Amino acid sequence: EVQLVESGGGLVQPGRSLKFSCAASGFTFSDYAMAWVRQAPKKGLEWVATIIYDGSSTYYRDSVKGRFTISRDNAKSTLYLQMDSLRSEDTATYYCARHPLANWRQGYFDFWGPGTMVTVSS
Amino acid sequence: DIVLTQSPALAVSLGQRATISCKTNQNVDYYGNSYMHWYQQKPGQQPKLLIYLASNLASGIPARFSGRGSGTDFTLTIDPVEADDTATYYCQQSRNLPPTFGGGTKLELK
Repeated sequence: EVQLVESGGGLVQPGRSLKFSCAASGFTFSDYAMAWVRQAPKKGLEWVATIIYDGSSTYYRDSVKGRFTISRDNAKSTLYLQMDSLRSEDTATYYCARHPLANWRQGYFDFWGPGTMVTVSS
Repeated sequence: DIVLTQSPALAVSLGQRATISCKTNQNVDYYGNSYMHWYQQKPGQQPKLLIYLASNLASGIPARFSGRGSGTDFTLTIDPVEADDTATYYCQQSRNLPPTFGGGTKLELK
């Protein structure tokens, strides 16, 4: 059974940093591209970043480029998101999601974790 | 970015058909595939993939769910609607980066 479990969210002040992770199990992690998708409170879904199967290519939405870094450790079957220079508009539930292929082509998300909440506030 | 437009809400009766639409401002077809996908999200839960590439049923999803469309116009149909189907439904395109989602359609029972 595919499982994705995020951890490390919480309350952080504007301008500070936060890094959280997603532990994957039930599939060969190194065979799939992975992504982070977020959802602000009472709002819709918003793609944040994608990393291909071996970590050699990454993609970001414009509003997080230069501030967020997606990475992965295939030996540990773990996905990460390092968030720097956080802003109030980054407040959201962050979901770890799996792409169906090794690269991002086709581009949908076939499995999602339960999410971790990040609140950016002073 | 490609913009996806969905109606905010839809109310249907149990056992009836629900049709949820999604319109895009750019063609999302490419080399014979329509890069449109559908998700269901219940309150407090993560989204679940229902339909991928416009018309393919995801694993474990009942055949009451179906998708169709091409180009810029897509629909998700639930027939017949069951009580457990009350949720918000999102369309998503992956023709271009960034992948974008519609605003969601909240399905309620009459």
